Amino acid sequence: GVTQSPTHLIKTRGQQVTLRCSSQSGHNTVSWYQQALGQGPQFIFQYYREEENGRGNFPPRFSGLQFPNDSSELNVNALELDDSALYLCASSLDRVSYNEQFFGPGTRLTVL
Amino acid sequence: DQQVKQNSPSLSVQEGRISILNCDYTNSMFDYFLWYKKYPAEGPTFLISISSIKDKNEDGRFTVFLNKSAKHLSLHIVPSQPGDSAVYFCAARDYNQGGKLIFGQGTELSVKP
Repeated sequence: GVTQSPTHLIKTRGQQVTLRCSSQSGHNTVSWYQQALGQGPQFIFQYYREEENGRGNFPPRFSGLQFPNDSSELNVNALELDDSALYLCASSLDRVSYNEQFFGPGTRLTVL
Repeated sequence: DQQVKQNSPSLSVQEGRISILNCDYTNSMFDYFLWYKKYPAEGPTFLISISSIKDKNEDGRFTVFLNKSAKHLSLHIVPSQPGDSAVYFCAARDYNQGGKLIFGQGTELSVKP
């Protein structure tokens, strides 16, 4: 399945954070979502074969990387209090396999 | 600008009865709709989907209905079971936006024995 690390993370405002995701084997597409408390997941961006393939309404301080070994990263610079949320990654076989988007358990980020 | 809305934050149903979860959307360019189920400390799990060219899709106890003229979809669970207790998200796909999913806020379903 899809795994994410770490499970929980506490950072202070202004710091930088890297969240990691391991996709299901053979999946070439990974999407990242931010889920604030009481809200649904919000699309941050999608990576397809190591290139960004679509982005939501998030500032450039949110960036990502996808590696050939089924792993990917979400980086957030200059953390703000509003960045506190659950961050979910989802992998799929390709860009349009929305039915088969498999989500990880998420990383809970708290910014103090 | 909330393009996908679930106006009921919670729903409580007796075991064996029907659960109906509702979702409204505003973007007529959405071409696919999905329902996800989420347990605490787990990621969302795909449940059922429907193409915009259909009005009904059924999978076991789960049926999704789509009313395009009203821009409304609903998920019916019959019969409801205690294990169905979870948060349900509806999501919509805009093919023109690279296939990204837009989620509603979620409805917490509680099925009481």
